[in-house]
Amino acid sequence: KAGVTQTPRYLIKTRGQQVTLSCSPISGHRSVSWYQQTPGQGLQFLFEYFSETQRNKGNFPGRFSGRQFSNSRSEMNVSTLELGDSALYLCASSFGVPNTEAFFGQGTRLTVV
Amino acid sequence: TQLLEQSPQFLSIQEGENLTVYCNSSSVFSSLQWYRQEPGEGPVLLVTVVTGGEVKKLKRLTFQFGDARKDSSLHITAAQTGDTGLYLCAGAEGYALNFGKGTSLLVTP
Repeated sequence: KAGVTQTPRYLIKTRGQQVTLSCSPISGHRSVSWYQQTPGQGLQFLFEYFSETQRNKGNFPGRFSGRQFSNSRSEMNVSTLELGDSALYLCASSFGVPNTEAFFGQGTRLTVV
Repeated sequence: TQLLEQSPQFLSIQEGENLTVYCNSSSVFSSLQWYRQEPGEGPVLLVTVVTGGEVKKLKRLTFQFGDARKDSSLHITAAQTGDTGLYLCAGAEGYALNFGKGTSLLVTP
């Protein structure tokens, strides 16, 4: 059974640019969640999608957005990049019911210069 | 957002030693998960605890969920160098996971 796949693994972008990250969940999982991990703040929840609908959103500015496709694959977009957006972005997939286990991808390391 | 505090923040021990790390909150969680993360990789799920007072064992790792479902502990017996990593606890909050900042464990030979 294939795991969660995130692409690309590494990205370097310039301030002001925008970026799109991709996540393919485990087959059969309909929920995809996105997290930002930084040394200072740890893992912080961005948003969660289930069957193409955003069900939950964390406390991040509107520059951070996402979507989910009918095949459960998800993308997140960050516009007008800032230096502080440099982080490991992780996605997790699950069946999307309470207390269900979440499985993470390897993450995308974004560096903003 | 319910706050999860993990302690200690850092732990450096030698192979063969035992250790316990803690995850505490003032709020009740319906479930709590423990993950281990290695540098540059995503967290890997170790266990999910759901019932207050529950104890789960995974080889040399023992996980306990507090009776009131506000806290949890992870005990490692006879630590090995392969146990090195960042241990994260996460409480279910709606459809999101609320993570503690983790305990960074280094096991040296």
